[in-house]
Amino acid sequence: DAGVIQSPRHEVTEMGQEVTLRCKPISGHNSLFWYRQTMMRGLELLIYFNNNVPIDDSGMPEDRFSAKMPNASFSTLKIQPSEPRDSAVYFCASSPRTCPDEQYFGPGTRLTVT
Amino acid sequence: EDQVTQSPEALRLQEGESSSLNCSYTVSGLRGLFWYRQDPGKGPEFLFTLYSAGEEKEKERLKATLTKKESFLHITAPKPEDSATYLCAVQATSGGGADGLTFGKGTHLIIQP
Repeated sequence: DAGVIQSPRHEVTEMGQEVTLRCKPISGHNSLFWYRQTMMRGLELLIYFNNNVPIDDSGMPEDRFSAKMPNASFSTLKIQPSEPRDSAVYFCASSPRTCPDEQYFGPGTRLTVT
Repeated sequence: EDQVTQSPEALRLQEGESSSLNCSYTVSGLRGLFWYRQDPGKGPEFLFTLYSAGEEKEKERLKATLTKKESFLHITAPKPEDSATYLCAVQATSGGGADGLTFGKGTHLIIQP
């Protein structure tokens, strides 16, 4: 079991650039979550999908953020244009249909926007 | 708005010194309360889910309990490898399926040998 896979693990970009974060959930899991973690605000839910359909995106901070899940094995979180305040660790998590309450987190992507 | 407050923010214990971490919450309707462990540079790791007041769950040196307003994570005779940040989260009731979690800021636990 490879667990949740995220790429890249680290991303450094300049303000105004587009950033795309990628996630491969655990095979067979039907729910996928994107979270953001900062020292100030802790871990915050951005958006989640059930069966590839976005259910709640109320945590997405601004229109600069967008997320897609084109199939059951891949999701992206895009920030365009990026700003320094977007610097954080972004986590992807997935959960199985049989036990939807247990979310399994990936290793995260550390994003730094200069 | 769902809220989760954890205390203390940080806790330093000697190996073998038992203690408890607190998680107080306000939620419109509690579907579940979760405890996660997070090691530096890694994603949170699931520990427990509690669904109703009075429920208890144990795993090795950890025991989680739940009341209508708070949850405790009891650590018995901790070892240095128990050092981590412990996160508490709540999930509100909804129409079904998986839902996102509202997390507290965590308790940073250090166990000194």
